Parts: sequence; C-alpha cells; structure tokens
Amino acid sequence: EPEVTQTPSHQVTQMGQEVILRCVPISNHLYFYWYRQILGQKVEFLVSFYNNEISEKSEIFDDQFSVERPDGSNFTLKIRSTKLEDSAMYFCASSRGTGGQETQYFGPGTRLLVL
Amino acid sequence: GENVEQHPSTLSVQEGDSAVIKCTYSDSASNYFPWYKQELGKRPQLIIDIRSNVGEKKDQRIAVTLNKTAKHFSLHITETQPEDSAVYFCAYGGFSGGYNKLIFGAGTRLAVHP
Repeated sequence: EPEVTQTPSHQVTQMGQEVILRCVPISNHLYFYWYRQILGQKVEFLVSFYNNEISEKSEIFDDQFSVERPDGSNFTLKIRSTKLEDSAMYFCASSRGTGGQETQYFGPGTRLLVL
Repeated sequence: GENVEQHPSTLSVQEGDSAVIKCTYSDSASNYFPWYKQELGKRPQLIIDIRSNVGEKKDQRIAVTLNKTAKHFSLHITETQPEDSAVYFCAYGGFSGGYNKLIFGAGTRLAVHP
C-alpha cells in the first residue's frame, strides 16, 4: 500500500538557521498539506497546496514559512529562520481530492528540535 | 472560530469494555468528520470517517455517530483490546473557508487495561 514518506526523521538545528523538510506524497494524490504537532498537543494545520499554489494557510504559517513542489514527486516545507517555538513534529499529508472531504494520509513526521 | 472540543482528555477502561469519545464542532457547514488514531511516536492514522449525509457508520468494533443539529459526533469502540490503547483525535473539514484543511481536537488518551 502506498504511503507518504518524509525525510529526515529527526532534525536538530540552531535558532536562526534555515531548515527544509521533505515529503514524497502518494503518487496519484493532488492535494498536499503540512501540519505540526508540538509535543503532547493536538495536530495543527499549517498549509495546503494544490495545482502548484497554496490553497489555504493558517495563522501559524507566516512569512518565515514557505512550501514548494520542486519536481513531480517532492513537496517541501522551508523554515527560513527557525525559532525555539518551531520545535515540533511536522507531518506531511496528501489526499486524492479536496482535503476537507477526502481522506488525508499522513507521513511518519519529522521531529524538529531548535536549540 | 474554527474549533472542535473533544472529551474526555483521558479514558481508562478494562479490556472488553466499551469506550466513547465525543466531539463538538463550531462550523455548521462542515460535512466531513474523520477520526485518527495515533500511537506513541507514530503518524496519525485514519480509523473511520463519516460524511454529513449519514448519521452513523460502523466498521467492525468501531462506529461513529453524527448529530448535525447539535454539531457533535462520537467515536464508539466496543470490546476494547490492549492494542486499542493510543491517542484518538477527532477532526472536521469541508467547512466554509476551509475546504482544504482539517481542524483537529485536542485528543483523547485511551488506556485499555488487561
């Protein structure tokens, strides 16, 4: 069964550094998402992406965040200047259709630690 | 605002008992309600979902009920087993201004004791 994959599984960075989190969505899916989960808390929506542009974004997704689909298979989340409060698990997800009405499949996550 | 309240936050049951988790959402236009199970350190995995055109859906030991008038939906797990122990998140989507996102509840930590 196809799955969403993410790399790296863990990332440790210094405050102020840039990080890029990578995801490979399920191949026939058209909608892509990033969510984050601070340790012990709920899953929070960051951004959705469709047809090579951002579809929706949350208040968390400010100017320090950006997303890109650099090729036909990868979907990336870039954090330009990391802050301590960016430490969290970041999940990529994908869906075949509109994510508010179709099943979203989550990747295994990237645990980001900002020191 | 976009919010879903989930109760209880923790639930402890004996193996074989039933477990019920309830969620109340804010946007009456919402029409998609999934439930995810998350084991420690793992990804959230969909266990069941329901759309607003039905009031109940069942899959073996798991069922979900939806009351659109009251804007709440519930997860029912019967004959619980130790492997059901995990954090369960309700979510909703398909609402006005939110066609491409899910809003998650705070989670319920379910512990099933042998």
